[in-house]
Amino acid sequence: QVHLVESGGGVVQPGRSLRLSCAASGFTFSNFGMHWVRQAPGKGLEWVALISYDVSYKDYADSVKGRFTISRDDSKNTLYLQMNSLRAEDTAVYYCAKDRRAYTYGFATANEDWGQGTLVIVSS
Amino acid sequence: EIVLTQSPATLSLSPGERATLSCRASQSVDIYLAWYQQKPGQAPRLLIYDGSNRATGIPDRFSGRGSGTDFTLTISSLEPEDFAVYYCQQRGNRPPYTFGQGTKLEI
Repeated sequence: QVHLVESGGGVVQPGRSLRLSCAASGFTFSNFGMHWVRQAPGKGLEWVALISYDVSYKDYADSVKGRFTISRDDSKNTLYLQMNSLRAEDTAVYYCAKDRRAYTYGFATANEDWGQGTLVIVSS
Repeated sequence: EIVLTQSPATLSLSPGERATLSCRASQSVDIYLAWYQQKPGQAPRLLIYDGSNRATGIPDRFSGRGSGTDFTLTISSLEPEDFAVYYCQQRGNRPPYTFGQGTKLEI
């Protein structure tokens, strides 16, 4: 059974940094592309970033490009999101999500499994 | 960036009725559109992928159709647990893998 558990959220001041983690289990982590998706309070879903199964491809939403970095450690079955220069508008629940198809680069698949989310609040 | 427009924003129906939700893309996404259901305080759940394929464990009252720019999610006979917010997402091109703004299905 797939299990994704996010951690690392909290309250942080504008301009500071935070690193989120997503611990994965129940599947062969290294075979699947992974994503971060966020949801501001009371708002809809916003795709944030993806990393391909082989780490060769990463991409970001324009709203976070240059500030956020997605990475993975397959030896630890863990996905990361390094968030720098945080802004108030980055306040959201951050979900990690697994692609449905193995060996993909984000295209032509969907997010079949999701974590429960971790809340990031950017406030002074 | 591909923009997804969902309609209606809110749909008010009763249990047992049929629900039809729409998602329109600003450019073709081929068949690569997914539908998710989200209940308050919960993570999204994948319902439909590749436009018309039900995800694992999804009841057959949920169905999807469409290709190109126009897609529909239909719930044939609403159960009480179906009242939630529904999002579409395109995976038919390069990122960003945008979501629609959501349709709230309310009793």
